[in-house]
Amino acid sequence: GQQLNQSPQSMFIQEGEDVSMNCTSSSIFNTWLWYKQEPGEGPVLLIALYKAGELTSNGRLTAQFGITRKDSFLNISASIPSDVGIYFCAGRRSSNTGKLIFGQGTTLQVKP
Amino acid sequence: ETGVTQTPRHLVMGMTNKKSLKCEQHLGHNAMYWYKQSAKKPLELMFVYNFKEQTENNSVPSRFSPECPNSSHLFLHLHTLQPEDSALYLCASSGEITYEQYFGPGTRLTVT
Repeated sequence: GQQLNQSPQSMFIQEGEDVSMNCTSSSIFNTWLWYKQEPGEGPVLLIALYKAGELTSNGRLTAQFGITRKDSFLNISASIPSDVGIYFCAGRRSSNTGKLIFGQGTTLQVKP
Repeated sequence: ETGVTQTPRHLVMGMTNKKSLKCEQHLGHNAMYWYKQSAKKPLELMFVYNFKEQTENNSVPSRFSPECPNSSHLFLHLHTLQPEDSALYLCASSGEITYEQYFGPGTRLTVT
């Protein structure tokens, strides 16, 4: 079935460092979404992208919809301990359905 | 608080029990989803309801039975589960324009 390849699988960084993660697909997507999940909670929507090349920020988070429409990137600047969690990308292929395909997640740990 | 609530938050049940999970959304959305999240696996879509009609069943075993009485409520009825069904069950909802999915906090299910 359709899969998204999300990398890296995990990151352990120092507080203050910038973080980059990405998702790639063999198929074209119409929408890319980025979520964060903390232990014991459901995923929380961070950023939604709808157009190829789109660059959108949410505080220290910036995400981009790749030009090829087959990838997306999430950057976190100046990481802080509360950034800890699992970050998921999700893509939507069809324009008339809400069905999403999720990446495997990137686990982020931040050392104070 | 994402506007999607799930009860119970934790559930332990034996293999012969029957229980139900409940999801309610206060966002005015028309689509609702059930996902299964197991350790080290991407989110697995189970069921999709659009305007109370089931539009997707991802080959889910019949021991999981969904019910959507209206656009705001979604249930997952469980019976004769197996230990491998232990997981976090997440509910989500989305509107019709952007299809951004908003998740509830999940029900942590343990089958003994």
